Amino acid sequence: AQTVTQSQPEMSVQEAETVTLSCTYDTSENNYYLFWYKQPPSRQMILVIRQEAYKQQNATENRFSVNFQKAAKSFSLKISDSQLGDTAMYFCAPEGGYNKLIFGAGTRLAVHP
Amino acid sequence: GAVVSQHPSRVICKSGTSVKIECRSLDFQATTMFWYRQFPKQSLMLMATSNEGSKATYEQGVEKDKFLINHASLTLSTLTVTSAHPEDSSFYICSATVSSGGLTPNYEQYFGPGTRLTVT
Repeated sequence: AQTVTQSQPEMSVQEAETVTLSCTYDTSENNYYLFWYKQPPSRQMILVIRQEAYKQQNATENRFSVNFQKAAKSFSLKISDSQLGDTAMYFCAPEGGYNKLIFGAGTRLAVHP
Repeated sequence: GAVVSQHPSRVICKSGTSVKIECRSLDFQATTMFWYRQFPKQSLMLMATSNEGSKATYEQGVEKDKFLINHASLTLSTLTVTSAHPEDSSFYICSATVSSGGLTPNYEQYFGPGTRLTVT
């Protein structure tokens, strides 16, 4: 079975600081996508960033970037210049075949002023 | 663009009754729709994959006779919880995918806002 591990149930960071959320996964796929989604208190799932496994270059989206290590099956998310609006639950979700997403347990991030 | 709606946002029903949840892609045609269930403070659990015009594919452990999925068009999928019981109370989320084309289609999933079901 394909699994996703987010080893940090909760994280806390001061506003304007940088925080890294970890994610490791297991997959039998060779070409696939990986995603980070955030879920704020409204519970609307919002795409944060996307990485294509066949690309060696790490994806960057404004203050968000990933460190993708394909061989190690690691896909961490770095949030720079953290903002209060970044407070949310963050889910790592690699594609698990047939375009399905396999979600990790999530990391609850709290950004403090 | 790429907006997905769900209706209703909240529903309360009595034990033994059935309830239908609609998922619509508003500004695109979805190749596939997915249905998830999320318990409080937990992750999303995939229930089933739905393709237009064909039967849904259910994940292991999900009762297909209890959770009926109909995908009548490229913009609408419905989930019907039949003979609901209190343990079916949960947050149900749908998502829709669209291929952006190119050499490697990008099957990004766009999520609806969710439906909170409470069975009394």
